Order: sequence, then C-alpha cells, then structure tokens
Amino acid sequence: EAGVTQFPSHSVIEKGQTVTLRCDPISGHDNLYWYRRVMGKEIKFLLHFVKESKQDESGMPNNRFLAERTGGTYSTLKVQPAELEDSGVYFCASSQVSGPYEQYFGPGTRLTVT
Amino acid sequence: GDSVTQMEGPVTLSEEAFLTINCTYTATGYPSLFWYVQYPGEGLQLLLKATKADDKGSNKGFEATYRKETTSFHLEKGSVQVSDSAVYFCALSTSSNTGKLIFGQGTTLQVKP
Repeated sequence: EAGVTQFPSHSVIEKGQTVTLRCDPISGHDNLYWYRRVMGKEIKFLLHFVKESKQDESGMPNNRFLAERTGGTYSTLKVQPAELEDSGVYFCASSQVSGPYEQYFGPGTRLTVT
Repeated sequence: GDSVTQMEGPVTLSEEAFLTINCTYTATGYPSLFWYVQYPGEGLQLLLKATKADDKGSNKGFEATYRKETTSFHLEKGSVQVSDSAVYFCALSTSSNTGKLIFGQGTTLQVKP
C-alpha cells in the first residue's frame, strides 16, 4: 500500500511568488490534514478536510493560504503571494474516518522563500 | 489553549545509554498522547500512544506512561542504538475521531557508536 506522498519535496521561490504544494493521501483515507513546521519550532496544525469539506481551518495563518481537496482525493495548498515567514516544512497526513484514527504522515515539502 | 512542551535538544548519547525525553502537556479534558519519530529524510511515524491515564505505550523498546497527576508523557528507552538517531515529537489530541494533533517543538537525538 502506498503511503502519503507529497510534491515537491523542496521548493525555493522568491518573495511575492506563488507556490502550490500537493498531497496524495493513502487511498480510502477521508481525513486529510495539513501541518507546518517553521525551523526548529513545533509542528502546527493548519487545517483538516473530511473528504472534500473543510472540517477545521482554524490554523490557517492568513488569506494568502488556500487549501483545496477537489473530489475528496488529493489536496493542494497554495501560497499566494509568498512571504519570508512562510518558509518551513509543510506536512500532510491522512487517516480513516471510521477508525483506527492513526494519522499517517508524508515526508513533507520544504519551502524556502527568499 | 492546549499545548505540549518538550525538553530542549539536541540530545547526544553513546550507544547503549539510557534515554529520557521529557514531555509535559496542558489540555482541557482528557487528551490522547502520542510520540512521533522522524528519521532523516522521512515523514513522521507514530512511535507509541496512550489514550487514558496510567496507560503505558510501548514500541521498539521505547516506553511512555500517561501521568495525569503530573500532566506528563516522558519517553524512555533502556539502551539506545545508533539507528534511533532521529527527531522525536510529543503530541496530544483532544478529539479521537477528528484527530487534530498539537505537537511539541521536537527533540533531536543523536546516538554515537
């Protein structure tokens, strides 16, 4: 069974540019989460999808961040325009709605904004 | 709000040494507690968990006991190996089915031969 995959693994962009991160969850996992770790800090929750619906987006930092999950499969997280403080590692995780509720994490996308 | 505090790293140990990584939490209600591990170049993996007070989670020689009275979930291993070198994250969740995780800042462990 394939795990959670994320693309790209690393992205370097300039301030003001746009970047789109992609997450493919484990097949059959309706829960999908985005988290972010700024260098050396804790991993922070961004938002949670159940299928294509946003269940909780309380962690989204501001309206420069837009997450989508069309069709309830893969998800994208767009940052537009990117700022220096957006640099960090963005993790995606998925889990089953019906249980068990263990979250399976992808390897992360390292975003560097210069 | 809910939060997790981990001991500062990095932690450097010799092979076969005893490991303790401290973790304390603040939460309303009765959270579930987790330890995740991130090996170099990989995603986070669930190492162990405990869902109620006095539960002990264990896996791969690691153990942690849910202590409600001290709001702690310290990670221990009796004899570390070089292959245990990784970043360890303590986390909590106050909802078992929606599952939003709140993490500590992570502790880097380096084990030297």
